[in-house]
Amino acid sequence: DGGITQSPKYLFRKEGQNVTLSCEQNLNHDAMYWYRQDPGQGLRLIYYSQIVNDFQKGDIAEGYSVSREKKESFPLTVTSAQKNPTAFYLCASSSRYRADSPLHFGNGTRLTVT
Amino acid sequence: AQKVTQAQTEISVVEKEDVTLDCVYETRDTTYYLFWYKQPPSGELVFLIRRNSFDEQNEISGRYSWNFQKSTSSFNFTITASQVVDSAVYFCALSEAKDNYGQNFVFGPGTRLSVLP
Repeated sequence: DGGITQSPKYLFRKEGQNVTLSCEQNLNHDAMYWYRQDPGQGLRLIYYSQIVNDFQKGDIAEGYSVSREKKESFPLTVTSAQKNPTAFYLCASSSRYRADSPLHFGNGTRLTVT
Repeated sequence: AQKVTQAQTEISVVEKEDVTLDCVYETRDTTYYLFWYKQPPSGELVFLIRRNSFDEQNEISGRYSWNFQKSTSSFNFTITASQVVDSAVYFCALSEAKDNYGQNFVFGPGTRLSVLP
């Protein structure tokens, strides 16, 4: 079955450490996205990528970085510059980067930084 | 600017009751798309429905139905004869075309539905 795999499900880090969240999709989708979800809030866009080797900042990109070297993979690095990194992170993909393309989501990674 | 409001933060119903989740949106575009997603406790958002701005026909899928009214900028979601498995957070989302090509997805804050046995 096609889908999006995020790993790990839970991640704990000490303050000041960078951490990388994995996202892999086998849906052959062109576009991929990273969202952050905080309690009681909707999803906020961190970064997105329309095609391989291209990515753009979303609404809350500060303190995060991404790469898109392969169509299937879109890892997110949470750097020590991110002031409040504890959150639930969701990776998504869509067949095309267009308004009518539904997003398909992974199971998420819950990051806790202490 | 586009915005999605889900005024109901939490709703609790008893199994077999009907429940309606409200969604109100704001946009200046004439072409846009509306979505509903379900987020069960496992965390993954599951796509339920997409509706484009030119199609105001209501839709029914099993126990789920959606009522789209452009006049009131609403896209409400009704679950008939609710079941415990319907317990989840439900998100309404609006997508506009960005630069006539891309997309600009905005999610509402979500409504947490608890269906009690």
